[in-house]
Amino acid sequence: DIQMTQSPSSLSASVGDRVTITCRASESISSYLNWYQQKPGKAPNLLIYAASTLQSGVPSRFSGSGSGTDFTLTISSLQPEDFATYYCQQSYSTPYTFGQGTKLEIK
Amino acid sequence: QVQLVESGGGLVKPGGSLRLSCAASGFTFSDFYINWIRQAPGKGLEWVSYISGSGSTIYYADSVKGRFTISRDNAKNSLYLEMNSLRAEDTAVYYCARLVVRGLYNWFDPWGQGTLVTVSS
Repeated sequence: DIQMTQSPSSLSASVGDRVTITCRASESISSYLNWYQQKPGKAPNLLIYAASTLQSGVPSRFSGSGSGTDFTLTISSLQPEDFATYYCQQSYSTPYTFGQGTKLEIK
Repeated sequence: QVQLVESGGGLVKPGGSLRLSCAASGFTFSDFYINWIRQAPGKGLEWVSYISGSGSTIYYADSVKGRFTISRDNAKNSLYLEMNSLRAEDTAVYYCARLVVRGLYNWFDPWGQGTLVTVSS
């Protein structure tokens, strides 16, 4: 199985900050990497697919990059509604696997 | 709009059984793979199973293989998960999620709101 490791596991930041979350795969997954946002008590919501393509309706302050084993999710200017937990997920092979999550908290 | 709604969760004793359902609307259900994904309380996401649009292709995570059975009824736009020999570690919110495929890429969208399964004596 492909292991996905996110860093950091938690992050404190302020409104307006630029934030980067990293996701590393245990083997090369090309660009088969998706990012999801989850708010407390809610289902995950797709942000980015194929490593860098923004899902329709997602604000342009979110961006994704990377290929192979190393990927990043960047939020250019944090808004109050962005405080949530973020997960990466590889779609290269089954079983599909997720990172452990990065909890973004208000400083 | 595209929507998935889970039901059937509840409290069950270790070794017991439960059947989850997922009702789909707003899209051609039989055109899509559908997945079950779970999240233990306070933990991350674990993919559990998928089934192809026709039902001919099925895959399970090792953690549930031999105990869980996924199925679908395209006439009813519904997905099911039959869970047997339940263990405490199966306690989780269970989500159904559509697998969107575009070219070689795929992703989960949307997700249902989830249904909680608690395995406890």
